[in-house]
Amino acid sequence: IAGITQAPTSQILAAGRRMTLRCTQDMRHNAMYWYRQDLGLGLRLIHYSNTAGTTGKGEVPDGYSVSRANTDDFPLTLASAVPSQTSVYFCASSDTSGAGRNEQFFGPGTRLTVL
Amino acid sequence: SQQGEEDPQALSIQEGENATMNCSYKTSINNLQWYRQNSGRGLVHLILIRSNEREKHSGRLRVTLDTSKKSSSLLITASRAADTASYFCATDDSRYSTLTFGKGTMLLVSP
Repeated sequence: IAGITQAPTSQILAAGRRMTLRCTQDMRHNAMYWYRQDLGLGLRLIHYSNTAGTTGKGEVPDGYSVSRANTDDFPLTLASAVPSQTSVYFCASSDTSGAGRNEQFFGPGTRLTVL
Repeated sequence: SQQGEEDPQALSIQEGENATMNCSYKTSINNLQWYRQNSGRGLVHLILIRSNEREKHSGRLRVTLDTSKKSSSLLITASRAADTASYFCATDDSRYSTLTFGKGTMLLVSP
C-alpha cells in the first residue's frame, strides 16, 4: 500500500441498506477526513479525526458515522442509505502534529449511488 | 458553508497561454492551499502559502496571497493540455484543524 486506499471503487446501493466505506492510509498521519463531492457544491467535510480514538463532525455529518480505532483506518458508515447520499466520497489524511501545514493527501474516491 | 470561493467557475484557454484563477475567503487563516483534481480522481496538493507570505513559486505555478483583501490567485504559466483539471483553493482556519474547500475552477487547455 502506498498512500491512501479506498474501497469499494463504486457501489450501487438500495435505499435503507447499511453501507461502510473503507479507508486505509500507510503514512502514519494522525489526522483523517471524509468528504463528499457533489456537482456544483465542491467538497464538503462529513467527519474528521485528529488522532486515533477521537472524531469530530464536519459540515454535513447527518446520516453518517465514523470510528477511528487505530491510526491507519477510518471507515465511514451509512446506517440507512438515502438517495441524497448519492455522491463521490473522498478520504484524506494529513500530518497536523508538526508546524501546522495540514497538507492533505487524498484517496481515489468511492462513487456511491443510492437508488 | 464554503470558506473559499474560486473565480472563474470555468476557464478555457489555448496551450501556451497563462491561466489565472482567483480565490476569496472570509475569515482569518493560517495558510491557504491549492489543489488539483483530474476528472474522476482524488485531489492532489499543489502549493501552500502561509498567511505571512505574499508570493510563492513552484515550477510553472505562482501563488499570491493578499490577507487584507482575503484573496489569493493561482497563475499557471505556459499552460499545457495536461493542465486540464479542476483547481480548488482550501483555507486552513486558525480555529480548527480542518481545511475548507471552495467549489473549484474547471480549467480546459486546448492543444
